[in-house]
Amino acid sequence: GAVVSQHPSWVICKSGTSVKIECRSLDFQATTMFWYRQFPKQSLMLMATSNEGSKATYEQGVEKDKFLINHASLTLSTLTVTSAHPEDSSFYICSAIRTAHPNSPLHFGNGTRLTVT
Amino acid sequence: GDSVTQMEGPVTLSEEAFLTINCTYTATGYPSLFWYVQYPGEGLQLLLKATKADDKGSNKGFEATYRKETTSFHLEKGSVQVSDSAVYFCALVLSNDYKLSFGAGTTVTVRA
Repeated sequence: GAVVSQHPSWVICKSGTSVKIECRSLDFQATTMFWYRQFPKQSLMLMATSNEGSKATYEQGVEKDKFLINHASLTLSTLTVTSAHPEDSSFYICSAIRTAHPNSPLHFGNGTRLTVT
Repeated sequence: GDSVTQMEGPVTLSEEAFLTINCTYTATGYPSLFWYVQYPGEGLQLLLKATKADDKGSNKGFEATYRKETTSFHLEKGSVQVSDSAVYFCALVLSNDYKLSFGAGTTVTVRA
Protein backbone atom coordinates (compact mmCIF):
# COMPACT_ATOMS: atom_id res chain seq x y z
CA GLY A 1 0.00 0.00 0.00
CA ALA A 2 0.88 3.63 -0.29
CA VAL A 3 3.35 4.77 2.33
CA VAL A 4 4.27 8.23 3.48
CA SER A 5 7.49 8.57 5.40
CA GLN A 6 8.04 11.55 7.65
CA HIS A 7 11.42 12.37 9.13
CA PRO A 8 12.47 12.97 11.79
CA SER A 9 9.87 11.45 14.07
CA TRP A 10 10.96 13.69 16.88
CA VAL A 11 13.38 16.58 17.26
CA ILE A 12 14.51 18.84 20.06
CA CYS A 13 16.07 22.14 19.13
CA LYS A 14 17.14 25.35 20.79
CA SER A 15 15.20 28.54 20.47
CA GLY A 16 16.29 30.55 17.45
CA THR A 17 17.41 27.62 15.34
CA SER A 18 15.65 26.21 12.28
CA VAL A 19 14.32 22.72 11.84
CA LYS A 20 13.51 20.92 8.60
CA ILE A 21 10.91 18.16 8.43
CA GLU A 22 10.69 15.90 5.40
CA CYS A 23 7.65 14.17 3.99
CA ARG A 24 8.22 11.53 1.35
CA SER A 25 5.82 9.39 -0.58
CA LEU A 26 7.72 6.12 -0.86
CA ASP A 27 5.91 4.20 -3.54
CA PHE A 28 3.72 6.72 -5.29
CA GLN A 29 3.82 10.18 -6.73
CA ALA A 30 2.12 12.95 -4.82
CA THR A 31 1.42 16.18 -6.65
CA THR A 32 -0.26 17.55 -3.55
CA MET A 33 0.80 17.22 0.05
CA PHE A 34 -0.67 18.82 3.14
CA TRP A 35 0.98 19.98 6.31
CA TYR A 36 -0.88 19.96 9.61
CA ARG A 37 -0.12 21.03 13.12
CA GLN A 38 -1.63 19.61 16.22
CA PHE A 39 -1.66 21.26 19.59
CA PRO A 40 -1.85 19.16 22.74
CA LYS A 41 -5.19 17.42 23.17
CA GLN A 42 -6.63 19.20 20.17
CA SER A 43 -7.47 18.31 16.63
CA LEU A 44 -5.37 18.92 13.58
CA MET A 45 -5.02 22.33 12.04
CA LEU A 46 -4.27 22.51 8.36
CA MET A 47 -1.29 24.79 7.86
CA ALA A 48 -0.73 24.70 4.15
CA THR A 49 -1.25 22.87 0.90
CA SER A 50 1.94 22.02 -0.92
CA ASN A 51 1.87 21.58 -4.69
CA GLU A 52 4.82 20.23 -6.60
CA GLY A 53 6.63 22.90 -8.53
CA SER A 54 4.64 25.83 -7.19
CA LYS A 55 4.31 27.94 -4.08
CA ALA A 56 2.46 26.51 -1.15
CA THR A 57 -0.97 27.80 -0.25
CA TYR A 58 -1.08 28.79 3.39
CA GLU A 59 -4.14 28.84 5.61
CA GLN A 60 -5.17 32.05 7.22
CA GLY A 61 -3.11 32.88 10.26
CA VAL A 62 -0.14 30.71 9.30
CA GLU A 63 3.07 32.69 8.87
CA LYS A 64 4.54 31.72 5.53
CA ASP A 65 7.92 33.24 6.37
CA LYS A 66 8.14 31.16 9.50
CA PHE A 67 6.92 27.88 8.09
CA LEU A 68 8.70 27.46 4.78
CA ILE A 69 7.36 24.75 2.54
CA ASN A 70 9.13 23.37 -0.47
CA HIS A 71 7.74 20.70 -2.77
CA ALA A 72 10.59 20.19 -5.16
CA SER A 73 9.64 16.79 -6.50
CA LEU A 74 6.66 14.52 -6.82
CA THR A 75 7.78 12.49 -3.83
CA LEU A 76 9.16 15.06 -1.40
CA SER A 77 7.83 18.04 0.48
CA THR A 78 9.70 19.77 3.27
CA LEU A 79 8.55 22.01 6.08
CA THR A 80 11.16 24.25 7.67
CA VAL A 81 10.33 25.92 10.94
CA THR A 82 12.57 28.98 10.94
CA SER A 83 13.84 30.71 14.06
CA ALA A 84 11.89 28.30 16.22
CA HIS A 85 10.49 29.38 19.57
CA PRO A 86 8.99 27.35 22.39
CA GLU A 87 5.47 28.17 21.19
CA ASP A 88 6.29 26.32 17.97
CA SER A 89 6.57 23.11 19.94
CA SER A 90 3.92 20.86 18.52
CA PHE A 91 3.20 17.75 16.53
CA TYR A 92 3.49 18.23 12.78
CA ILE A 93 2.03 15.74 10.36
CA CYS A 94 1.99 15.56 6.59
CA SER A 95 -0.32 13.79 4.24
CA ALA A 96 -0.31 13.14 0.53
CA ILE A 97 -2.72 12.53 -2.29
CA ARG A 98 -1.69 10.14 -5.01
CA THR A 99 -1.25 11.83 -8.34
CA ALA A 100 -4.06 10.87 -10.74
CA HIS A 101 -6.10 9.57 -7.81
CA PRO A 102 -7.54 12.80 -6.38
CA ASN A 103 -10.51 11.06 -4.85
CA SER A 104 -8.50 8.43 -3.03
CA PRO A 105 -7.92 8.67 0.72
CA LEU A 106 -5.10 10.73 2.08
CA HIS A 107 -2.01 8.89 3.20
CA PHE A 108 -0.49 10.15 6.40
CA GLY A 109 3.03 10.34 7.68
CA ASN A 110 3.63 9.28 11.27
CA GLY A 111 4.24 12.82 12.35
CA THR A 112 7.10 14.77 13.85
CA ARG A 113 7.14 15.90 17.44
CA LEU A 114 9.02 19.18 17.71
CA THR A 115 10.19 20.47 21.06
CA VAL A 116 11.83 23.87 21.20
CA THR A 117 13.77 24.61 24.36
CA GLY B 1 -0.46 0.34 20.82
CA ASP B 2 -3.22 2.85 20.31
CA SER B 3 -5.16 2.32 17.13
CA VAL B 4 -8.36 3.02 15.29
CA THR B 5 -10.26 0.59 13.13
CA GLN B 6 -12.96 1.80 10.82
CA MET B 7 -15.14 -0.03 8.36
CA GLU B 8 -13.72 -0.53 4.94
CA GLY B 9 -15.24 1.15 1.94
CA PRO B 10 -16.14 2.13 -0.50
CA VAL B 11 -19.69 2.88 0.55
CA THR B 12 -22.19 3.90 -2.12
CA LEU B 13 -25.56 5.33 -1.15
CA SER B 14 -28.51 7.04 -2.71
CA GLU B 15 -29.47 10.54 -1.69
CA GLU B 16 -31.51 10.71 1.50
CA ALA B 17 -30.27 7.30 2.64
CA PHE B 18 -29.01 6.67 6.17
CA LEU B 19 -25.26 6.53 6.59
CA THR B 20 -23.31 4.71 9.30
CA ILE B 21 -19.55 4.36 9.38
CA ASN B 22 -18.27 2.16 12.17
CA CYS B 23 -15.22 3.10 14.16
CA THR B 24 -13.71 1.26 17.10
CA TYR B 25 -10.58 2.07 18.98
CA THR B 26 -7.91 0.59 21.19
CA ALA B 27 -6.24 2.89 23.65
CA THR B 28 -4.36 2.55 26.90
CA GLY B 29 -5.74 5.75 28.35
CA TYR B 30 -8.76 7.98 27.89
CA PRO B 31 -8.66 9.29 24.35
CA SER B 32 -10.44 12.12 22.65
CA LEU B 33 -12.14 10.96 19.47
CA PHE B 34 -12.55 12.72 16.17
CA TRP B 35 -14.11 12.36 12.77
CA TYR B 36 -12.39 14.14 9.91
CA VAL B 37 -13.66 14.56 6.36
CA GLN B 38 -11.67 14.86 3.17
CA TYR B 39 -13.56 16.24 0.19
CA PRO B 40 -12.20 15.35 -3.28
CA GLY B 41 -8.81 16.93 -3.87
CA GLU B 42 -8.80 18.77 -0.55
CA GLY B 43 -7.10 18.37 2.80
CA LEU B 44 -8.67 17.22 6.01
CA GLN B 45 -11.34 19.10 7.87
CA LEU B 46 -12.50 18.39 11.37
CA LEU B 47 -16.10 17.20 11.23
CA LEU B 48 -16.83 16.56 14.90
CA LYS B 49 -15.23 15.44 18.12
CA ALA B 50 -15.95 14.05 21.57
CA THR B 51 -13.59 14.26 24.50
CA LYS B 52 -15.13 11.97 27.10
CA ALA B 53 -17.42 8.99 27.44
CA ASP B 54 -21.06 9.53 26.46
CA ASP B 55 -20.29 12.82 24.74
CA LYS B 56 -22.01 13.29 21.42
CA GLY B 57 -20.31 15.25 18.68
CA SER B 58 -22.44 16.72 15.93
CA ASN B 59 -21.97 18.89 12.87
CA LYS B 60 -23.62 19.28 9.46
CA GLY B 61 -26.20 16.64 10.33
CA PHE B 62 -23.56 14.10 11.33
CA GLU B 63 -23.43 12.64 14.81
CA ALA B 64 -21.17 10.31 16.73
CA THR B 65 -21.37 9.21 20.36
CA TYR B 66 -18.33 8.25 22.42
CA ARG B 67 -19.13 4.77 23.76
CA LYS B 68 -16.56 3.66 26.27
CA GLU B 69 -18.24 0.33 26.98
CA THR B 70 -17.96 -0.72 23.34
CA THR B 71 -14.88 1.43 22.56
CA SER B 72 -16.71 2.85 19.58
CA PHE B 73 -17.38 6.18 17.90
CA HIS B 74 -19.65 5.37 14.97
CA LEU B 75 -20.51 8.18 12.57
CA GLU B 76 -24.14 8.56 11.47
CA LYS B 77 -26.20 10.81 9.27
CA GLY B 78 -29.89 10.37 8.74
CA SER B 79 -30.23 11.70 5.22
CA VAL B 80 -27.15 12.08 3.08
CA GLN B 81 -26.69 14.42 0.15
CA VAL B 82 -24.49 14.22 -2.91
CA SER B 83 -22.29 16.87 -1.31
CA ASP B 84 -21.49 14.41 1.50
CA SER B 85 -19.44 12.33 -0.93
CA ALA B 86 -16.00 12.30 0.66
CA VAL B 87 -13.52 10.21 2.59
CA TYR B 88 -14.16 10.02 6.32
CA PHE B 89 -11.43 9.35 8.87
CA CYS B 90 -11.86 8.34 12.47
CA ALA B 91 -9.03 9.38 14.79
CA LEU B 92 -8.02 9.44 18.43
CA VAL B 93 -5.60 11.30 20.62
CA LEU B 94 -4.71 10.28 24.14
CA SER B 95 -5.35 12.71 26.94
CA ASN B 96 -1.71 12.74 27.96
CA ASP B 97 -0.32 13.03 24.46
CA TYR B 98 -1.05 14.80 21.24
CA LYS B 99 -0.20 12.35 18.55
CA LEU B 100 -3.21 11.56 16.45
CA SER B 101 -3.86 8.00 15.34
CA PHE B 102 -5.99 7.70 12.22
CA GLY B 103 -8.14 4.97 10.79
CA ALA B 104 -7.62 4.03 7.17
CA GLY B 105 -10.49 6.15 5.91
CA THR B 106 -13.85 5.22 4.39
CA THR B 107 -14.79 6.49 0.96
CA VAL B 108 -18.46 7.44 0.69
CA THR B 109 -20.17 8.15 -2.60
CA VAL B 110 -23.71 9.50 -2.63
CA ARG B 111 -25.62 9.22 -5.89
CA ALA B 112 -28.46 11.51 -6.87
